[in-house]
Amino acid sequence: EAEVAQSPRYKITEKSQAVAFWCDPISGHATLYWYRQILGQGPELLVQFQDESVVDDSQLPKDRFSAERLKGVDSTLKIQPAELGDSAMYLCASSRLATGANVLTFGAGSRLTVL
Amino acid sequence: QKEVEQNSGPLSVPEGAIASLNCTYSDRVSQSFFWYRQYSGKSPELIMSIYSNGDKEDGRFTAQLNKASQYVSLLIRDSQPSDSATYLCAVRSTSNTGKLIFGQGTTLQVKP
Repeated sequence: EAEVAQSPRYKITEKSQAVAFWCDPISGHATLYWYRQILGQGPELLVQFQDESVVDDSQLPKDRFSAERLKGVDSTLKIQPAELGDSAMYLCASSRLATGANVLTFGAGSRLTVL
Repeated sequence: QKEVEQNSGPLSVPEGAIASLNCTYSDRVSQSFFWYRQYSGKSPELIMSIYSNGDKEDGRFTAQLNKASQYVSLLIRDSQPSDSATYLCAVRSTSNTGKLIFGQGTTLQVKP
């Protein structure tokens, strides 16, 4: 069964440090999402890509977060500098399209702890 | 008002009972609705999707949609301890990006 690959699974860092997460979506999935899930809350969309283009980054804290999907396949989410409030699970998901019945498949997630 | 609202729970039911999980949404023209299950420390996994008013059954799970009331629910029959998890309701945005908007999730505890 095809999977969304994410790394690292766990990351502990000190505040003000830089951190990066990587995601490889299911082959053929044009739409890639980065969600952030704070403990006890539902996932919140940070950024959505259609192929290599950003189509929604309205909730991305652009002063410290950046995301790219240069060749329209895998993607990197970066935080610099990390803050205590960034501690969360960072979930990558992909879907064939972004409309109608197309479902999102999530990766295992990257758990970030900022000390 | 949040776009997708769920009672955070916990909802506690005895083994073998029916668990009923509810969700309301604010965008009247939403068309696609999803239920995800999330075990503690794990990522969400899709259980059910529903697009038309009425009921949709898949094994022990039934999703119910009422667009007039902007309400979607998930029923779990013959609940098992392995069903203990957080259940996330998600609604596809009607914006041109089609992003999924999630509720905060309802924690279900099934007691043996």
